[in-house]
Amino acid sequence: AQTVTQSQPEMSVQEAETVTLSCTYDTSESDYYLFWYKQPPSRQMILVIRQEAYKQQNATENRFSVNFQKAAKSFSLKISDSQLGDAAMYFCAYRSPITQGGSEKLVFGKGTKLTVNP
Amino acid sequence: DAGVIQSPRHEVTEMGQEVTLRCKPISGHDYLFWYRQTMMRGLELLIYFNNNVPIDDSGMPEDRFSAKMPNASFSTLKIQPSEPRDSAVYFCASSLYGTNNSPLHFGNGTRLTVT
Repeated sequence: AQTVTQSQPEMSVQEAETVTLSCTYDTSESDYYLFWYKQPPSRQMILVIRQEAYKQQNATENRFSVNFQKAAKSFSLKISDSQLGDAAMYFCAYRSPITQGGSEKLVFGKGTKLTVNP
Repeated sequence: DAGVIQSPRHEVTEMGQEVTLRCKPISGHDYLFWYRQTMMRGLELLIYFNNNVPIDDSGMPEDRFSAKMPNASFSTLKIQPSEPRDSAVYFCASSLYGTNNSPLHFGNGTRLTVT
């Protein structure tokens, strides 16, 4: 079974600075999908960014970008120009491809709590 | 677009009671998911539906849990009888297509406390 590990339970960053959140995963599959979700205190989960494993180019969404290292099974999230509104729990998630017997199930890491200091 | 709507926001009940959690997905979304979040186990998928049909219920903990989706705009997750270890935040989420092609839209969750 696939597992997702976020080794940093908590991180902090100064406003306007850059922070990187780590995520590693364990899988024997060659094709899969990786996600970062944000959970603010409101508890609602929000998709931050998505990466397909077959794409070598790292995904980018405005101030959010990933460093996808397939061989190392690493998927870190970089937040540039951090803002107070970025403060939240961040979850890394993995999904198997449907074509290889997977389902729509997302496997989540335990999360990293990000604090942004003014 | 009102987003995914869950009710109630909070639920406190005594052990042995029946609990029903409700979810209204975003209109037009074909997929509906029920997740459970606890400190110990994190976020876990309980069950998901595609076009109102349950597809993967391998995450449902035991027979005390049941989920239904009688139509495209409504789903319930029922726990009968409830136990203290069921205390968690239960999330409903919907997706237009599969999760590789469209994001999951989560509701605000129902915090369940079983005493």
